[in-house]
Amino acid sequence: QVQLVESGGGVVQPGRSLRLSCVVSGFTFSNYGMHWVRQAPGKGLEWVAVISYDGSKKDYADSVKGRFTISRDNSKNTLYLQMNSLRAEDTAVYYCAAWRVSSAFDIWGQGTMVTVSS
Amino acid sequence: ENVLTQSPATLSLSPGERATLSCRASQSVSNYLAWYQQKPGQAPKLLIYDASNRATGIPARFSGSGSGTDFTLTISSLEPEDFAVYYCQQRNNWLWTFGQGTKVEIK
Repeated sequence: QVQLVESGGGVVQPGRSLRLSCVVSGFTFSNYGMHWVRQAPGKGLEWVAVISYDGSKKDYADSVKGRFTISRDNSKNTLYLQMNSLRAEDTAVYYCAAWRVSSAFDIWGQGTMVTVSS
Repeated sequence: ENVLTQSPATLSLSPGERATLSCRASQSVSNYLAWYQQKPGQAPKLLIYDASNRATGIPARFSGSGSGTDFTLTISSLEPEDFAVYYCQQRNNWLWTFGQGTKVEIK
């Protein structure tokens, strides 16, 4: 069945880096754009980044631009989020989501928690 | 940035009642408006895309309407499993934003 599985979350000190992964199965990963979306504890959803099906186009929310990098490896059916210069306000559950329907996120992973704290 | 404002913040209703949720955009989004449901501890679930199209497997009691800057999600008759938080989301070029959410709670 269709599945997105995130990993790589954890506790990290401010200023440090972390890389999240999202392994996709059940559909042709290389045909679709992908997103990262985050949710701070007790807060709403915040879109983070998008990447096109072939990796040629990317864009970011202003809050992470210049610090986070989205990438993908279509040979491994895997999406990545490289997070540098982490701040306390980056603390959140990070979800990967598939962009297979118009402009919406139709399939979501279960999320991975990132805590930025000293 | 295209800001999405959802109202009300909380909607207190009983099972069987009709729920009407609003989402207003600061700039036109054409019909690139989606709605999601999120229950505690779970990932969001796509309900509606392109303002009025139900996603696969979504019951007919969920419907979306609107265009331009004003959109509505209607749940015709609330089932116990519908009490959750609902978010709208828009796309403008290659930037996406979410509304702040509406919580539908049991009265």
